Amino acid sequence: EVQLVESGGGLVQPGGSLRLSCAASGFTFSSYEMMWVRQAPGKGLEWISHIRISGSTMFYADSVKGRFTISRDNAKNSLYLQMDSLRDEDTAVYYCAREYKVGCFDPWGQGTLVTVSS
Amino acid sequence: QAVLTQPASLSASPGASASLTCTLRSGINVGTYWIYWYQQKPGSPPHYLLGYKSDSDKHQGSGVPSRFSGSKDASANAGILLISGLQSEDEADYYCLIWHSNAWVFGGGTKLTVL
Repeated sequence: EVQLVESGGGLVQPGGSLRLSCAASGFTFSSYEMMWVRQAPGKGLEWISHIRISGSTMFYADSVKGRFTISRDNAKNSLYLQMDSLRDEDTAVYYCAREYKVGCFDPWGQGTLVTVSS
Repeated sequence: QAVLTQPASLSASPGASASLTCTLRSGINVGTYWIYWYQQKPGSPPHYLLGYKSDSDKHQGSGVPSRFSGSKDASANAGILLISGLQSEDEADYYCLIWHSNAWVFGGGTKLTVL
């Protein structure tokens, strides 16, 4: 079964850091581009970051540029999101997703909740 | 002005058709973009429905019924998701997505109510 499972979410104080992981299974992880998307409580989807297959090319939303870093370990079938200098407005459910065809993201993980609060 | 604008809500009756619009900001020509559509139900991650650039360039998600289709209205500079034969299970949030200026951009989403 093609599956993505996020982990690493939790409660963190403003200014703190957190590292999210996304474990992939059921497919050849190294053959697909990946992205992170977040959804604040009761709000819409917000794209955060995208990484190419090799891991050497990454794209970021302006809202997280300079604070978040996307990376991948193809040997471990894993995607990561290092989040630094966290702010209240970063509170959201964070999803990882596989790009199986340009613009076609499937599957998505179930999401991991990040709460930034003092 | 947002890159993609979607109406916040839309209501339609079972069996009817619903047309969900995704308007691109002035200066961004809908004709040159693929528009992708996603459905999200409460408590679940988004689900890919389809991608549409033209009638000869389109893609249906795996298992997505043919009553979900895409189109464009060039005069309105908008992408359209048409859902025909509405069913209660179609009640959900719908998001459009494009790749613009080295970034994925989601629309704000439309909450579709089937009643």
